[in-house]
Amino acid sequence: AQSVTQLDSHVSVSEGTPVLLRCNYSSSYSPSLFWYVQHPNKGLQLLLKYTSAATLVKGINGFEAEFKKSETSFHLTKPSAHMSDAAEYFCVVSEVDTGRRALTFGSGTRLQVQP
Amino acid sequence: EPEVTQTPSHQVTQMGQEVILRCVPISNHLYFYWYRQILGQKVEFLVSFYNNEISEKSEIFDDQFSVERPDGSNFTLKIRSTKLEDSAMYFCASSGMTDYGYTFGSGTRLTVV
Repeated sequence: AQSVTQLDSHVSVSEGTPVLLRCNYSSSYSPSLFWYVQHPNKGLQLLLKYTSAATLVKGINGFEAEFKKSETSFHLTKPSAHMSDAAEYFCVVSEVDTGRRALTFGSGTRLQVQP
Repeated sequence: EPEVTQTPSHQVTQMGQEVILRCVPISNHLYFYWYRQILGQKVEFLVSFYNNEISEKSEIFDDQFSVERPDGSNFTLKIRSTKLEDSAMYFCASSGMTDYGYTFGSGTRLTVV
């Protein structure tokens, strides 16, 4: 069975400083991994995805994530936070190789950006 | 950019009533999904739908739930007899054949009173 652990429920950074949101996964197969963002009263927007190609994945709005199989991690980073980055972020896993399409979500990390 | 559209954005219903949540997936997508998020909890998979039939469902998706694609554009989730614990945000999503990054709608907040 697949699972995702987001290690921080809340992260607070100052505008212009780096962002690190941590995610560890568990999967019996080669996983596909995603990060989604949810702004207040909005839907879930795909930031980036890893599907067994390059281990460093670049996404929208300057975010990127690195797939580290040895550490079973897929941490999300951004060099410089912007006020508009304040939102809830979800790390998500899918076991594509099994043919299943159900996504398993982490519990989310709320990012606050201080001026 | 193509969007998944959900209606209504908010729905309040009385316990025991039937409710239908509606979604218009992206037009050239082939897989359709429903997820829900109870307040303060994780987003949970309910069901996936492909080629006019359910391809996968979770334990949550019991007999009170059903899905339908009544025409070429809409995808609906019906809850037959709502319970208080069905109160949640329900997200519709769609994806293409080889694209495992879904496009989600903005959700319908269902409140059962």
